[in-house]
Amino acid sequence: EAQVTQNPRYLITVTGKKLTVTCSQNMNHEYMSWYRQDPGLGLRQIYYSMNVEVTDKGDVPEGYKVSRKEKRNFPLILESPSPNQTSLYFCASSRPPGQGAYEQYFGPGTRLTVT
Amino acid sequence: AQSVTQLGSHVSVSEGALVLLRCNYSSSVPPYLFWYVQYPNQGLQLLLKYTSAATLVKGINGFEAEFKKSETSFHLTKPSAHMSDAAEYFCAVSGGGSYIPTFGRGTSLIVHP
Repeated sequence: EAQVTQNPRYLITVTGKKLTVTCSQNMNHEYMSWYRQDPGLGLRQIYYSMNVEVTDKGDVPEGYKVSRKEKRNFPLILESPSPNQTSLYFCASSRPPGQGAYEQYFGPGTRLTVT
Repeated sequence: AQSVTQLGSHVSVSEGALVLLRCNYSSSVPPYLFWYVQYPNQGLQLLLKYTSAATLVKGINGFEAEFKKSETSFHLTKPSAHMSDAAEYFCAVSGGGSYIPTFGRGTSLIVHP
């Protein structure tokens, strides 16, 4: 089954404690992306990756890091989480956007609470 | 840079009534256009997409959208709302000179019995 998986689905942590949210896709997609969803603000892109070892900042990259060492995985790293990073996070993947009408496939989401 | 505007953060309809969710985009060339739906506690899933093959696009669950180049619009409609249609709906655009997909802020559809 084609899917994007994220782990964990729910996470409560404290300020400053480093954490990683994993994302994996099994569709051999080149493009992967991280979004955060907050009430009234819709989806905001954090980072994206066009392919292995190619990453770039989205609209709200501050406080986040990513890596793309393998095509299937795109972890999101919060080195020192703060309460303003409390949000619902989504990972997505697709074939190269802009080269065709390629829809994005979304993971189920990770709800993060930073106290 | 391209942008997407969804008019109305909330739309409320009665069960059986017409659903109309508005989406306008700005792009120098015709882009690829998408509607996604997000049911409570789930990720987004594709509802339908415009690929330039036809201006009227049919999607899942009875939804359809019409691409109007002159109005730079891609509004989503459904003739008769069902309670199960209550969800968040996102319009998105890619291509049209920009590689990176851009999402609208979303419209929450509320369906009253």
